[in-house]
Amino acid sequence: QVQLVESGGGVVQPGRSLRLSCVASGFTLSSIAMHWVRQGPAKGLEWVAVISYDGSNKYYADSVKGRFTISRDISKSTLYLQMNSLRVEDTALYYCASITGTAANWGQGTLVTVSS
Amino acid sequence: IQLTQSPSSLSASVGDRVTITCRASQDISSFLAWYQQKPGKAPNLLIYTASTLQSGVPSRFSGSGSGTDFTLTISSLQPEDFATYYCQQLNSYPITFGQGTRLEIK
Repeated sequence: QVQLVESGGGVVQPGRSLRLSCVASGFTLSSIAMHWVRQGPAKGLEWVAVISYDGSNKYYADSVKGRFTISRDISKSTLYLQMNSLRVEDTALYYCASITGTAANWGQGTLVTVSS
Repeated sequence: IQLTQSPSSLSASVGDRVTITCRASQDISSFLAWYQQKPGKAPNLLIYTASTLQSGVPSRFSGSGSGTDFTLTISSLQPEDFATYYCQQLNSYPITFGQGTRLEIK
């Protein structure tokens, strides 16, 4: 059974950094592309980043490009999102998800609050 | 690629037939998915490749369309269907979502 569990969220000041983690079980990270998607308070879904199944390609939303970095550690079955230069508008619930053309599995999310 | 959903909100009654539309700013073939999200929960995949029902999803849900125009139809609303619905395109990066349609009880 596929399970995704995010952690690492918290309250952080603008300009600071935070690293999110997502532990995957029930499948191997090297078999599927993995995504981060966020949802601001009372807002819709916003796709953030993806890493391809083989780790060779990474894509980012324009809103986070140059500030966020997606990575993974296959040996730890863990997906990461390194978030630098955080802004108030990055406040959101961050989900990791395995999304393909025919299936999708989501974690329950980890909350990031950027506030002074 | 921008996705525009309509309506943004909708009031309906149990037993009603409901249709939500999603229009893409360019051709995305059939690379469109529909999600349902309930408060405090992660999104749940309903439909993929525009019209294929995800396993375990009730048959009252259906999807259609290709190219730029897509629809999600719920044939007979049930109490558990009141939620927010999102379309998502997977044709190209960046992946994008529609702004959501909130389905409320009349």
